[in-house]
Amino acid sequence: GESVGLHLPTLSVQEGDNSIINCAYSNSASDYFIWYKQESGKGPQFIIDIRSNMDKRQGQRVTVLLNKTVKHLSLQIAATQPGDSAVYFCAENPWDGTASKLTFGTGTRLQVTL
Amino acid sequence: GAGVSQSPRYKVAKRGQDVALRCDPISGHVSLFWYQQALGQGPEFLTYFQNEAQLDKSGLPSDRFFAERPEGSVSTLKIQRTQQEDSAVYLCASSLLGNTIYFGEGSWLTVV
Repeated sequence: GESVGLHLPTLSVQEGDNSIINCAYSNSASDYFIWYKQESGKGPQFIIDIRSNMDKRQGQRVTVLLNKTVKHLSLQIAATQPGDSAVYFCAENPWDGTASKLTFGTGTRLQVTL
Repeated sequence: GAGVSQSPRYKVAKRGQDVALRCDPISGHVSLFWYQQALGQGPEFLTYFQNEAQLDKSGLPSDRFFAERPEGSVSTLKIQRTQQEDSAVYLCASSLLGNTIYFGEGSWLTVV
């Protein structure tokens, strides 16, 4: 996948605002997508997933949108909090539709300012 | 335990040394995965087990990398004759078959 090395794209938002993190995926055969949150020094933490037969899925304060036409995935976080500061990765599974072998996208660093 | 447990959390190895990284998956999880994460990048798939069977090892970068899960629970990732390019975080993850993958905190390997 595409790599930006040490210079991750960064999104800065004020506490209380909504955040939108975008991800472009490459394989049109992918039919399962997951968003992970990774805090410094920790492993990726599952946030929300979506299958290709859906275009929207909502969780607690988070919404994932899937646009298969342009192979685009987005994560919306409502009322962003300081604890949301982390690197966010989208991941796709293009092999069998289960979370067996994931390809991770370029991460986005979310910085929440007070 | 409550989550995926990995040890050691931090390992410094001299170039040429062999290392072994251990993963204790969530109890009852059939699937176990190893990923490698370089600094500033997303995790990259190494290998996948379903119970004790290694179903996919296509991501292992060389024959110096070897993984096993002999009893279908604990797994060990072994790296022989470590090189500086092996420096990375090695993430273990587990899941019930076909369900959400849960990651451990990772083993941070530095080769000097």
